Formats: sequence, C-alpha cells, structure tokens
Amino acid sequence: DAGITQSPRYKITETGRQVTLMCHQTWSHSYMFWYRQDLGHGLRLIYYSAAADITDKGEVPDGYVVSRSKTENFPLTLESATRSQTSVYFCASTSGTGNGNTIYFGEGSWLTVV
Amino acid sequence: AQSVTQLGSHVSVSEGALVLLRCNYSSSVPPYLFWYVQYPNQGLQLLLKYTTGATLVKGINGFEAEFKKSETSFHLTKPSAHMSDAAEYFCAVANSGGYQKVTFGTGTKLQVIP
Repeated sequence: DAGITQSPRYKITETGRQVTLMCHQTWSHSYMFWYRQDLGHGLRLIYYSAAADITDKGEVPDGYVVSRSKTENFPLTLESATRSQTSVYFCASTSGTGNGNTIYFGEGSWLTVV
Repeated sequence: AQSVTQLGSHVSVSEGALVLLRCNYSSSVPPYLFWYVQYPNQGLQLLLKYTTGATLVKGINGFEAEFKKSETSFHLTKPSAHMSDAAEYFCAVANSGGYQKVTFGTGTKLQVIP
C-alpha cells in the first residue's frame, strides 16, 4: 500500500538549474495535482492533470513544466530555478469519479533554491 | 469563483478545552467542503468532508463540522483538545462543476497547551 510517493524529499539547488520533482501513485487515480505551500498562502495549485497526456495550468504555473505520459507518474520540472521557487511541493491525486472525492497527498518535497 | 477564508492563522487552546476553527467559503454553486490536517513534515490528510445530505459531519479523531448554508460557514469543532491535535488545519472548497478543482484556505495552526 505505497499510495503516493514523492522524491526527492529534500533538495537544495542553485539559481538557474533545472530541477525535477517526481511523483508516483499506485492507485491508478485519474487526477493528479501539484501544489506549493508557502507561509501565508496555504496551498496553491501549480498544475493538474485529468488523465495521461492531459494537463492544465493552475493558479501559479509560471516557471514550471509538467508531463504525464503514464497514469501513475506526474513529474514537475523547474526549468530554471529561482529563489522565489523555494517552497514545499506536494503532489496529490484523486479518483475523479465524482466531485467531492478525497484528495490524497504525498509527504512533500522541500526545495531550497540558493 | 470560489474562495475560502480561515479566521485566525494561530489558535491556542488548553488541553481538554473546546477546539473551534473557523472557516467561511464563497461559492457560486453548491459546494463540497473539506477539512484537512497536516502534522509537521507530513502531507495533508482528510479529517472530514461535506458533499450532500446531513449537514453535521463527523470525522476522524473526534472532530466534526457543520455546514451552514445561510452563514456560508463550515467550522471545525472538537469538544476536548488532546496534545496530539496540535497541527495545522486547512479548510477547502470544491465546486460541483464537473472537474476536480479544490481551493484551500491559508491554514490555522492549532497549539494545545498542557
């Protein structure tokens, strides 16, 4: 019962470098999401995906790229990391069989950009 | 558009006292409402949710919340606080709009004083 796993859990990178955060879920959930959590802002949606090969922007997509070639994986890439992207990133998923479904979260990836 | 307002970013209660965390929402269509809890260095997990039916919803760990449409509120309560309840709590709203899009509040950190 692995659920939803994120890697790496902790990462320090330099400004301008490309970083990819991985997300894998074992439930075959249709919907997957990436959120960032910052003090005073709660959770903000970066990107979401309704199915393999279907992705869409959320509230704060600038500077991020996602892909979903397989249902179970939803990597998030920071193409050129900036200090403002220092944050905690959460991957999440839900079955999407009807609204009001529970969203399940990974344990988070702490990213520091120096 | 939908939104969530959590009143009080920090709440302190004594062990054994009533816990009341406030949440007000804005939604143009009937909402689905959630409370999630986040323990330190972990992802969010569902406490309870309202979709349809009974407006008083019971969740895990003795928490409950009441959906009051006239007040656009979904406050979280627990009769007697335990030390283990210390965590951050997030209220969230989703529209019954045909796809998964959840808006989270900015969170309330609960401190329990022995």
